[in-house]
Amino acid sequence: DTEVTQTPKHLVMGMTNKKSLKCEQHMGHRAMYWYKQKAKKPPELMFVYSYEKLSINESVPSRFSPECPNSSLLNLHLHALQPEDSALYLCASSQVKERSSYEQYFGPGTRLTVT
Amino acid sequence: GNSVTQMEGPVTLSEEAFLTINCTYTATGYPSLFWYVQYPGEGLQLLLKATKADDKGSNKGFEATYRKETTSFHLEKGSVQVSDSAVYFCALRGARGTGFQKLVFGTGTRLLVSP
Repeated sequence: DTEVTQTPKHLVMGMTNKKSLKCEQHMGHRAMYWYKQKAKKPPELMFVYSYEKLSINESVPSRFSPECPNSSLLNLHLHALQPEDSALYLCASSQVKERSSYEQYFGPGTRLTVT
Repeated sequence: GNSVTQMEGPVTLSEEAFLTINCTYTATGYPSLFWYVQYPGEGLQLLLKATKADDKGSNKGFEATYRKETTSFHLEKGSVQVSDSAVYFCALRGARGTGFQKLVFGTGTRLLVSP
């Protein structure tokens, strides 16, 4: 099973709202990722968690706050977003073992619209 | 730094035509190489991978060979179907010590197959 699930599928929020995106995987992967994808563009890396610890933050604004409660779950807390933050948010996971190719498996994404 | 260059799209083909999507890369050492496919409104799906020189990745009739001498990983399929219409991303994962936790994506190539 190579499934990564994400909820919700769609989200509309105002600029003063607080919301969260959720991601789950049961492949035993110990690295999890958040990406942002704008229309007709490749995904842009936002955060990487390795063994439940934040290992990479690609200078993402603080209105995005990631959380990794356990090895299967990844959250992205959203607060005071701007309309330009509207995008498809993708979660991914991968192995971190030596001698693996570390391929990442992506979820279906959450389509976020900020009004 | 690591980078991936993909041919511009869209690529427009008739059903049963031969497909080539060019991908070249710049990286230190021996990166891992991937092709991902994204269907409209969905997340990315791993199509195939190669982890060392001369490896051939294959899946669902698609193939790509890791060519170290030409730093290329071109995607091919002998006979495309309408259902292959999607955006294809070439991606690279650097060797350890050169950004191995990050996927570097090409800009994506849209494929349109008509009946």
